[in-house]
Amino acid sequence: DIQMTQSPSSLSASVGDRVTITCRASQTISHYLTWYQQKPGRAPKVLIFAASSRQSGVPSRFTGSGSGTEFTLTISSLQPEDFATYYCQQSFSTPRAFGQGTKVEVK
Amino acid sequence: QVQLVQSGPEVKKPGASVKVSCKASGYTLSDYGLTWVRQAPGQGPEWMGWITAYNTDTNYAQRFQGRVTMTTDTSTNTAYMELRSLRSDDTAVYYCTRNSGPYYISDYWGQGTLVTVSS
Repeated sequence: DIQMTQSPSSLSASVGDRVTITCRASQTISHYLTWYQQKPGRAPKVLIFAASSRQSGVPSRFTGSGSGTEFTLTISSLQPEDFATYYCQQSFSTPRAFGQGTKVEVK
Repeated sequence: QVQLVQSGPEVKKPGASVKVSCKASGYTLSDYGLTWVRQAPGQGPEWMGWITAYNTDTNYAQRFQGRVTMTTDTSTNTAYMELRSLRSDDTAVYYCTRNSGPYYISDYWGQGTLVTVSS
């Protein structure tokens, strides 16, 4: 099974900051990588799919990059509504594992 | 518009079974894959398994093999997930999600069903 590892597990940031989250796969997954955002009490929401394609309606400040085993999610200028937990998920093979999450908190 | 509406919260004793339903509207359930994901309190999501489009196959995570069954009822456009031999660590919110496109993204999610396992 493919394992997904995110770093950091949490970070503190201010509005306007640039934030980068990393996700590593235990073996190559090409570009079969999706990023989700989750707020408390809500289901996850798709931000980025195919490693770098923005889902419809997602603001352009969210950018995904990478392929193979290493991926990043960048928020170029953090907004108040972006404080949330972010998860990566691989869809290269089953089981389609998620990372353990990165919580973005207010500094 | 696309919606997935799940059944209500459940409280079960250890050893019991639970069956969660997921009614789709705005699209035909069997035209897309459907995945079940669970999330224990304070934890990340966990992929449990999925039914492929046109109900051709099911694929379950190894840790749930023999304990879970995922089905669909095309007449009511409803999916079901049954989990048996419940344990306390099965306490979680269970979500159904629609899978879309060649990257199997979970583009629509149900509202979640809290299953509590407690003696």
